[in-house]
Amino acid sequence: KAGVTQTPRYLIKTRGQQVTLSCSPISGHRSVSWYQQTPGQGLQFLFEYFSETQRNKGNFPGRFSGRQFSNSRSEMNVSTLELGDSALYLCASSLEASFLSSGNTIYFGEGSWLTVV
Amino acid sequence: SQQGEEDPQALSIQEGENATMNCSYKTSINNLQWYRQNSGRGLVHLILIRSNEREKHSGRLRVTLDTSKKSSSLLITASRAADTASYFCATDLRAGGTSYGKLTFGQGTILTVHP
Repeated sequence: KAGVTQTPRYLIKTRGQQVTLSCSPISGHRSVSWYQQTPGQGLQFLFEYFSETQRNKGNFPGRFSGRQFSNSRSEMNVSTLELGDSALYLCASSLEASFLSSGNTIYFGEGSWLTVV
Repeated sequence: SQQGEEDPQALSIQEGENATMNCSYKTSINNLQWYRQNSGRGLVHLILIRSNEREKHSGRLRVTLDTSKKSSSLLITASRAADTASYFCATDLRAGGTSYGKLTFGQGTILTVHP
């Protein structure tokens, strides 16, 4: 079955602009999470969505937002772009983890490379 | 600071040799996952080991987990040039039973396998 699909793969934006990235999870997966990867900070968790609700959020400013649709597809938006937002943005999906479960495998997409100039 | 810390930061070996990477973490976890990332690409899931497991195998991969020492190791046996990549450990922290998709990553080990 198809993996996690992210679009666009590459994009260049100017400081002050906004950007929207899209993610389609693996079929049947209802949890979608987003990560930012930079050389300096490594991989950092942005947020997680399940059934159109944000359940978890990382330590990022309010310029970073996201949403999930009823078909589990997700988008993330970054407003008022800064040079430091240049990064690889990774989307991941997994089956729902129940309260008592010990976790599920989280699968990642190929990422969206964002360059802010 | 990163929850997981990989060691070494870089490892260079010859094809056919074994590669061992270590990961340490600081707090109790639900599980620990290992990922591989080829340059500029996404993360490929390698193996998940739960907190009540001590060892898991998958093909040429062997993962161990020592919760008393808060550490894990990834062994790749009979390495190949195609194994050249960055390897990350990621922990699923124990927080109210589930951490809702949040993995905490280390900085990774860059593995280079020379033909």
